Amino acid sequence: NAGVTQTPKFQVLKTGQSMTLQCAQDMNHNSMYWYRQDPGMGLRLIYYSASEGTTDKGEVPNGYNVSRLNKREFSLRLESAAPSQTSVYFCASTRIANTGELFFGEGSRLTVL
Amino acid sequence: GDSVTQMEGPVTLSEEAFLTINCTYTATGYPSLFWYVQYPGEGLQLLLKATKADDKGSNKGFEATYRKETTSFHLEKGSVQVSDSAVYFCALSDSDNFNKFYFGSGTKLNVKP
Repeated sequence: NAGVTQTPKFQVLKTGQSMTLQCAQDMNHNSMYWYRQDPGMGLRLIYYSASEGTTDKGEVPNGYNVSRLNKREFSLRLESAAPSQTSVYFCASTRIANTGELFFGEGSRLTVL
Repeated sequence: GDSVTQMEGPVTLSEEAFLTINCTYTATGYPSLFWYVQYPGEGLQLLLKATKADDKGSNKGFEATYRKETTSFHLEKGSVQVSDSAVYFCALSDSDNFNKFYFGSGTKLNVKP
């Protein structure tokens, strides 16, 4: 089973460039999330989508946009990358949010020079 | 706002030693509490959870008890193995919005043979 698949796994950008991180899940989950992981800070929620067609801001949404393309796919876009966005990004999904069982992808390491 | 604080790492133990990783939380309402584990190069995966006060979550020899009076959810294991080496994250879900998960900064555990 593929679970949650993220692409790309690694990316290097220059300041001001744009890019989109793709995420797809094959578990028929309703809710999907984007987190960033920084040393000493744990995971912080960027955006989430509680169901197809809805998106909401998390703790750190500035500089990002998201699209819930369909039930399977949830993309994260950096319109004008900044060095502060250097991080590891994780996509996650869950069938029912209040169970707490998030399924994570393997992460995407982004470096902005 | 809601938050999770966990002990700084890394924690280095010998095989078969007793493990405790401390976690305390701040939350309004009645959150659910979780421990996630991240093995090298992988995404996080749920280790155990507790949804109400005095509940004990357990899995793979790990245990944690939801203590409302001390706002704590400490992770314990009686005898660690080398294969337990990983980063452990304490987390809570907001009782008003289960889509909002708050993670601690993570504690790296190294177990030596």
